This record gives sequence, C-alpha cells and structure tokens, in this order.
Amino acid sequence: GAGVSQSPRYKVAKRGQDVALRCDPISGHVSLFWYQQALGQGPEFLTYFQNEAQLDKSGLPSDRFFAERPEGSVSTLKIQRTQQEDSAVYLCASFRLAGTTDTQYFGPGTRLTVL
Amino acid sequence: GQNIDQPTEMTATEGAIVQINCTYQTSGFNGLFWYQQHAGEAPTFLSYNVLDGLEEKGRFSSFLSRSKGYSYLLLKELQMKDSASYLCAAHSGYALNFGKGTSLLVTP
Repeated sequence: GAGVSQSPRYKVAKRGQDVALRCDPISGHVSLFWYQQALGQGPEFLTYFQNEAQLDKSGLPSDRFFAERPEGSVSTLKIQRTQQEDSAVYLCASFRLAGTTDTQYFGPGTRLTVL
Repeated sequence: GQNIDQPTEMTATEGAIVQINCTYQTSGFNGLFWYQQHAGEAPTFLSYNVLDGLEEKGRFSSFLSRSKGYSYLLLKELQMKDSASYLCAAHSGYALNFGKGTSLLVTP
C-alpha cells in the first residue's frame, strides 16, 4: 500500500550515544538500500539487502555503522558512539525485484543531528 | 571508480525551458536515473535511460549518450513548483551513484 516509511523523522543525539534508525520498505519489495545524504550533497550508498541477506556493505563509513534486515522486510541502521560527522539525512530506498533496473522508491529520511 | 558531475545551481524563468547536464565516469554502467528532490523531502523518480537517445515524459525529457558519458534532463514550460534539486545517478552494480545535485530556482 503506502510508500517507504522511516522513523524517527528527526533524531538529536549527544556525541557518543548509540542510535537506531528504522525503515519500513514497500510490502513485497525484495531489495533495500541505505544511503547517507550530507547537507547540499547527493545521497551516498551505504549498504544493500536482498531479502534478509546483506549483499554489499562497502559504503558503511566505519565499524560503528551496522545494518540488519532479519526477516527480509523492516531494516534497522544502527550507529554506535555517534560522532558529529555522522550528522546527515539517512535515506532508505526499496525496489521490487533483485538485480534489475527497477525504480528505487525512497523514504522521507531520518535527519540525524549529533551535538 | 565513480565520478558524477552536474552544475551546482541554475536559475530559470517560469514558462521557459531549462537543460540540466550530467557527465559520468562509472565502471559497470547500466543506466542513468534522474530524481527530483524538494527540500526536506525524499528523492522522487523522474526518468531512467538505458539506451542512447531521448525519452520524453510530459514536460520532462531525458537524454543519454553512453559513448560520451553524458546525459541531460530537459524541463519545459517551467512552473514555480519545479524549484528543487535535480539528482543525476548512474546505476552500476547494486547501487545508484549520485551526483551532488543541481539546485534549480524558477523565478516569476
């Protein structure tokens, strides 16, 4: 039914705190992506899931970033010991099939501010 | 590696035509997406080009030349609501590799 949803929409964290960002993709979509978008920049790829399998995590900036999609639907991006440079909008995108040129549908994003 | 270039800002007048260019150097290139993004909102899909040539979709058209690593988005009959950031993204492998976006301002 509805599009990709993300929560929370806004998150303020103190430096050093852990945060968890949630993505609910469109129902039935096999593929799920996480992107990081800094102010005034285009989205940058973080990681890719095909169902529950994390096939590519090459874009995760450090081992403080961890993503999971245990049942092949909802995904969570976790950032441990947040730093100021982690401040950005985190976008989730899904598309219907795997390994195709299907359109990616983006969620509204979570704006993370680390103080 | 991946390198996507597009102008940072453009200004155009309501009712006019504007062309936003994008050049890319991408290994394993599959195709070229254009997305529109209003401030504070998610990117929304505009077009996807796999083959060379022009694809028209209402007021928006997109062109691709694979041999030149070049694409453009053409917006006709500009409206104030077209003021937004336009993102060019090269599709290779799993992910989309985005440019920094072109901020378009439409003036009365």
